[in-house]
Amino acid sequence: SQQGEEDPQALSIQEGENATMNCSYKTSINNLQWYRQNSGRGLVHLILIRSNEREKHSGRLRVTLDTSKKSSSLLITASRAADTASYFCAYQAGTALIFGKGTTLSVSS
Amino acid sequence: EPEVTQTPSHQVTQMGQEVILRCVPISNHLYFYWYRQILGQKVEFLVSFYNNEISEKSEIFDDQFSVERPDGSNFTLKIRSTKLEDSAMYFCASSEFINIQYFGAGTRLSVL
Repeated sequence: SQQGEEDPQALSIQEGENATMNCSYKTSINNLQWYRQNSGRGLVHLILIRSNEREKHSGRLRVTLDTSKKSSSLLITASRAADTASYFCAYQAGTALIFGKGTTLSVSS
Repeated sequence: EPEVTQTPSHQVTQMGQEVILRCVPISNHLYFYWYRQILGQKVEFLVSFYNNEISEKSEIFDDQFSVERPDGSNFTLKIRSTKLEDSAMYFCASSEFINIQYFGAGTRLSVL
């Protein structure tokens, strides 16, 4: 399979803690993206990291990319209850985005 | 902020019936997409559309599926003869270039 795969599948933390989600993929990529999906809603783009970048920040989000290991991680710092959602990595294959199975994050107050 | 809108939010149909799912992409975007997500599973690419023709399609997008941009604003997905396994959330997306895609809230299709 060429799909991205996230781990863990589910993560439960307390407000204020950091959440780290990992993604692995099996093909060469130009970029890797992370999306968030609130329950029953559409996907919201969070951040894009290009294949020649190793780390990128956006607010409380930090993404790393290791193309030699074909892996990426998403770190959410100082989590809030509103961060409760599913998080997906996705890479571009032609015009298509290929999504992983996602990590379901639950942040309790 | 511009957004992709999808209608209806929920569509219930009988097996064998035709359904049309509608989307209004963001106005200055050039690329349009349909994805589906079966309950509890990952989001799967169906088709991309650019310059009034299909750019790419997945194995899922068989002869039962078709897409159309009937006017300057709408983008539709038609399923000719629905099957039980077509029950899923269908997401429309659009992008200005081939990178960041903006998704609608989805249409939940229930085939009975």
